[in-house]
Amino acid sequence: GENVEQHPSTLSVQEGDSAVIKCTYSDSASNYFPWYKQELGKRPQLIIDIRSNVGEKKDQRIAVTLNKTAKHFSLHITETQPEDSAVYFCAASGGGADGLTFGKGTHLIIQP
Amino acid sequence: EADIYQTPRYLVIGTGKKITLECSQTMGHDKMYWYQQDPGMELHLIHYSYGVNSTEKGDLSSESTVSRIRTEHFPLTLESARPSHTSQYLCASSVADTQYFGPGTRLTVL
Repeated sequence: GENVEQHPSTLSVQEGDSAVIKCTYSDSASNYFPWYKQELGKRPQLIIDIRSNVGEKKDQRIAVTLNKTAKHFSLHITETQPEDSAVYFCAASGGGADGLTFGKGTHLIIQP
Repeated sequence: EADIYQTPRYLVIGTGKKITLECSQTMGHDKMYWYQQDPGMELHLIHYSYGVNSTEKGDLSSESTVSRIRTEHFPLTLESARPSHTSQYLCASSVADTQYFGPGTRLTVL
């Protein structure tokens, strides 16, 4: 089955700086890669996703890049703000009914 | 408004009790999932369903059971709760590959 590795487990950045979270996956058949943000005490929320026919996708301050050859994808957050502090999960899916395989999460801390 | 609903949101019970965690969705999705998550930690898939009358076990061994008699309803039952079951339980549903999560039930077993 699919295996998703996520790094780092904790990331601390100064407000206004950029943050990058990286994930690798094992199953070359995976074709869908979402990112979820989970604030303290709340449900995971989809923030951006990318499919394997696209190399990069942007939405305001966040972007996701995908390298199919290397089987890794990354989340980029620019001009970080205090409200970006949360746990971020990457995931991968090959379309099976068992759904997404999640990484273990990254605690992003924005220092004022 | 289309959403996923979970009840109760918080539950404190004693060891040995039988409990059912409710999950309902008004999104019209066929696929539904249950995850177990300690706060801020990784998500563990414990059950999923393709549709009505379909249930499968996930990656994490669980003493819970599920049923799917109606498309919109996917309850999870613990026959005899133990302190090791203390955790947060998240329900999700999906269209194509994208999953949407409910608000979760935080369970404490004393």
